[in-house]
Amino acid sequence: NAGVTQTPKFQVLKTGQSMTLQCAQDMNHNSMYWYRQDPGMGLRLIYYSASEGTTDKGEVPNGYNVSRLNKREFSLRLESAAPSQTSVYFCASSLTSGSTRETQYFGPGTRLLVL
Amino acid sequence: AQSVAQPEDQVNVAEGNPLTVKCTYSVSGNPYLFWYVQYPNRGLQFLLKYITGDNLVKGSYGFEAEFNKSQTSFHLKKPSALVSDSALYFCAVNQAGTALIFGKGTTLSVSS
Repeated sequence: NAGVTQTPKFQVLKTGQSMTLQCAQDMNHNSMYWYRQDPGMGLRLIYYSASEGTTDKGEVPNGYNVSRLNKREFSLRLESAAPSQTSVYFCASSLTSGSTRETQYFGPGTRLLVL
Repeated sequence: AQSVAQPEDQVNVAEGNPLTVKCTYSVSGNPYLFWYVQYPNRGLQFLLKYITGDNLVKGSYGFEAEFNKSQTSFHLKKPSALVSDSALYFCAVNQAGTALIFGKGTTLSVSS
């Protein structure tokens, strides 16, 4: 049982390049989330998916798109990377659709540097 | 709008001494409160949560937190700190129908 896995662990991009961050969970969770972590700002929600087939914007969605490929996988895409998107990205999942009292389980993170 | 504050960027404590990491929150209704810990170059790990019921919540690794509704606080505590407790600690809050909001984090440093 690997929990939440993320790939890649580290990536360097040039401004304007695109990339997709991959996330998968093997806990049969319904809800999945993408956060970014910046120094002194805690974690901020980018997008979330309450259940397979649904996605919704979080606090900082601009410049990102997401795809809930199936129940296990939730990807985050940067279409045209900008230096302001340099951050550490975390994927998380929780068991129940739309339940806000659930514990979220986090992946190890992806460090992204945009030059 | 809901919010959460961790007033201390860093807390320093000697091994064996009690530790407290502070958290205050602001929500319009009944809060759900969480503590997570992040070790260097790792993802966040769940420590404990308050949903309802007993105000004193016990969690992983000997940590506990007390929900104080009148002071809108949810401070994390441990009776005897270990060097291995050194990490970044996040408080988070939400309520029914809203997203989880994280504090900015508090770095705990335990010296031997």
